[in-house]
Amino acid sequence: AQSVTQLGSHVSVSEGALVLLRCNYSSSVPPYLFWYVQYPNQGLQLLLKYTTGATLVKGINGFEAEFKKSETSFHLTKPSAHMSDAAEYFCAVSLGGAAGNKLTFGGGTRVLVKP
Amino acid sequence: DGGITQSPKYLFRKEGQNVTLSCEQNLNHDAMYWYRQDPGQGLRLIYYSQIVNDFQKGDIAEGYSVSREKKESFPLTVTSAQKNPTAFYLCASSSRSPGTFTSTDTQYFGPGTRLTVL
Repeated sequence: AQSVTQLGSHVSVSEGALVLLRCNYSSSVPPYLFWYVQYPNQGLQLLLKYTTGATLVKGINGFEAEFKKSETSFHLTKPSAHMSDAAEYFCAVSLGGAAGNKLTFGGGTRVLVKP
Repeated sequence: DGGITQSPKYLFRKEGQNVTLSCEQNLNHDAMYWYRQDPGQGLRLIYYSQIVNDFQKGDIAEGYSVSREKKESFPLTVTSAQKNPTAFYLCASSSRSPGTFTSTDTQYFGPGTRLTVL
């Protein structure tokens, strides 16, 4: 079975500062990895995903994440935070294959952006 | 516009009543999913369906039931057996690779229904 751990349930950053959200996973097979963003009382929107190929993945809104197999990590970064980045972020893992694409989610990290 | 709709956005029910949450998609996706979201716990899978007339239990299926009679619809019933039904419920869908039972495609989410049981 796979699992996802997001370090830090809340992160506070200043506008213009680096955003770094940590995600570690456990999986018995090479996983597919996702980052989603959720604004208050809304559904989830995909930021980016890693399936195969290049380990540095670029997503929407200036976010990117790097898959590091040796560290079992998929941390999300953005060089310069904007007020509109205030939201909750979820890392998720899927095994693909015969398991289909059932997602297992981390607990989420809520980002606060200070002016 | 293609997408996933969930209705209603807010739902209030008395304890002991069954309630059905609607989820419709016009993305022509084969697979559909129901998640429950509670503060600080991320999303947990309730039920999923990879094809019409077939569905499987997820991690927290007790107290819930689903049907998949049409490709575009996957309603969730929260029964009186669910001990703590107040939560935010999210529906999602994804496509599947033609001719296979596997997929790495993205799950697309609806806007959610917030259920409060009084």
